[in-house]
Amino acid sequence: QVHLVESGGGLVKPGGSLRLSCAASGFTFSDHYMSWVRQAPGKGLEWISYISGSGSTIFDADSVKGRFTVSRDNAENSLYLQMDSLRAEDTAVYYCAKSGFDGFDVWGQGTTVIVSS
Amino acid sequence: SYVLTQPPSVSAAPRQTARITCGGNNIDSYSVHWYQQKSGQAPVLVMSYNSDRPSGIPERFSGSNSGNTATLTIGRVEAGDEADYYCQVWVRTSDHSTVVFGGGTKLTVL
Repeated sequence: QVHLVESGGGLVKPGGSLRLSCAASGFTFSDHYMSWVRQAPGKGLEWISYISGSGSTIFDADSVKGRFTVSRDNAENSLYLQMDSLRAEDTAVYYCAKSGFDGFDVWGQGTTVIVSS
Repeated sequence: SYVLTQPPSVSAAPRQTARITCGGNNIDSYSVHWYQQKSGQAPVLVMSYNSDRPSGIPERFSGSNSGNTATLTIGRVEAGDEADYYCQVWVRTSDHSTVVFGGGTKLTVL
């Protein structure tokens, strides 16, 4: 069964850092683009970043460019999001999703990040 | 940047038809995907490539895309369809790609 499980969320002070992880199972991880999508409290979905199967292609949203870095370890079937210089407006539930041009067909349950002093 | 516009809310009585629109400049030149998000849950893909239903999605769900508007249609609405719905496109240029989500539409079943 295809499954994604995020971890690493928590409470962090403004300016701090956090690293999110996403463990994948049930599919050939290295064959697929993966994305991070976030959802601020009471708000809609916001795409953050995606990475190709090999890791050679990465695109980020302007809102996180230069602060967040997506990476993957295909040997470990894992996706990561390194978040630096965190701001209050980065407070959100962060989802990883198996992505393709046919849509984001598998989502994790999400991990919550709260940026507050 | 490309913008997708959805109505904040749509309502429908049980067994009626609900139509959720997604507006964008020449949106019919893009493939539109739709997601359903029930309260407290992760999104679920309910429509792919404008009108393709993923496995497990009821036939009551259909999609179309023409001109500047894409539409997700839910026939014979049920209480369990009450959720937020989001449209999404990939915007690709010669040197960059980005993903755009609409603002979301809350479907209320009366």
